[in-house]
Amino acid sequence: QVQLVQSGPEVKKPGASVKVSCKASGYTFTSYGITWVRQAPGQGLEWMGWISAYNGNTNYAQNLQGRLTMTTDTSTSTAYMELRSLTSDDTAVYSCAKGGSGWLHAGLDVWGQGTTVTVSS
Amino acid sequence: QSALTQPASVSGSPGRSITISCTGTSNDVGVYNYVSWYQQHPGKAPKLMIYDVNKRPSGVSNRFSGSKSGNTASLTISGLQAEDEADYYCSSYTSSSTLVFGGGTKLTVL
Repeated sequence: QVQLVQSGPEVKKPGASVKVSCKASGYTFTSYGITWVRQAPGQGLEWMGWISAYNGNTNYAQNLQGRLTMTTDTSTSTAYMELRSLTSDDTAVYSCAKGGSGWLHAGLDVWGQGTTVTVSS
Repeated sequence: QSALTQPASVSGSPGRSITISCTGTSNDVGVYNYVSWYQQHPGKAPKLMIYDVNKRPSGVSNRFSGSKSGNTASLTISGLQAEDEADYYCSSYTSSSTLVFGGGTKLTVL
């Protein structure tokens, strides 16, 4: 079946970086995009950005530009999200999601289980 | 990009219908038919309920329907059931080639 499996929880100090992986299976990885979404404790969903698994094109949320990098490894069908210069405001559950097509605007039809990132001194 | 505007909460009795609104601007909801709706139960991943304004993914109950008028999209749930109690989020594609989510609506089934 189609699934996305993410890496485990992370605890980071302020100023550090975190890299979360998202391994896809059950579908042709390069035919769809991957979107990253985060959810701070008790808060709503926040769109972080999107990457095309076909050609690596990316679009990032303006408030994360300069701190965020999304990449893919097509040989292992894995997407990565790296966020740098972490602050306590970055404490959240980070999720990857597969688009229903190769376009950014596609509905997100399969989600990873989420990765908790805690930023604390 | 400001979040889309949703009511913080809505409620309804079993068997009745409710509608959740999602208001954007002429840079997102008003200009693109790329509105999606997600259901999220506590501690769980979101689930896609509606995409492209009014399309239902395979396996989603036909009690869920979507529509749009101007800058406002709506999700209607008919024949409310206890299992529908959850948080609901809308999202839209924007003219900046990004996505934006609504703030979320907590649905309580009385």
